[in-house]
Amino acid sequence: AQSVTQPDIHITVSEGASLELRCNYSYGATPYLFWYVQSPGQGLQLLLKYFSGDTLVQGIKGFEAEFKRSQSSFNLRKPSVHWSDAAEYFCAAFGEYGNKLVFGAGTILRVKS
Amino acid sequence: EAQVTQNPRYLITVTGKKLTVTCSQNMNHEYMSWYRQDPGLGLRQIYYSMNVEVTDKGDVPEGYKVSRKEKRNFPLILESPSPNQTSLYFCASSLLPAASTDTQYFGPGTRLTVL
Repeated sequence: AQSVTQPDIHITVSEGASLELRCNYSYGATPYLFWYVQSPGQGLQLLLKYFSGDTLVQGIKGFEAEFKRSQSSFNLRKPSVHWSDAAEYFCAAFGEYGNKLVFGAGTILRVKS
Repeated sequence: EAQVTQNPRYLITVTGKKLTVTCSQNMNHEYMSWYRQDPGLGLRQIYYSMNVEVTDKGDVPEGYKVSRKEKRNFPLILESPSPNQTSLYFCASSLLPAASTDTQYFGPGTRLTVL
């Protein structure tokens, strides 16, 4: 079955430190991949997406993600985290069956000063 | 301003009392969808619609109904709500019917509590 896994439920980083959020997918073919962010009390905002081509994708707010086919991963990175990045992050995939996004369970990011 | 709106934003109700959560988008999008978000489970799709009068089940459709009589509106109906439908609900829309290469835009969410 198609699935998206985010292994880390919570991550805490210090402000100014680098960040990597992990995402793995299980699909027959390479799906379309997305990262969304949800700030407290808000809806979901798209950070970036990968369809094909360059495996390093740049997004908004200084985020980037790297697609690695061999590892079935699409990890989100940011070189220097700001306190305003504290939120919940969702990886999602649009796959070969059905007409829907499949979401991971989410990773809650806490930023300590 | 391009947006997806949902109403109400917060709702507390009792078991069995029918309710409707409205969703409207002003972007002339073909595709609309409803998700529920529960802790540790991420977002799961309830129903989606690829165009007017075209709706289909998502992963967790039991206990829900939808309709798509106009392109801009996609209401979610709970005929007889139960406590296990207590959740945070999101409506989303995208321009293309296939919703594959297009970005989905999400509403602000509706927090529903069923007592």
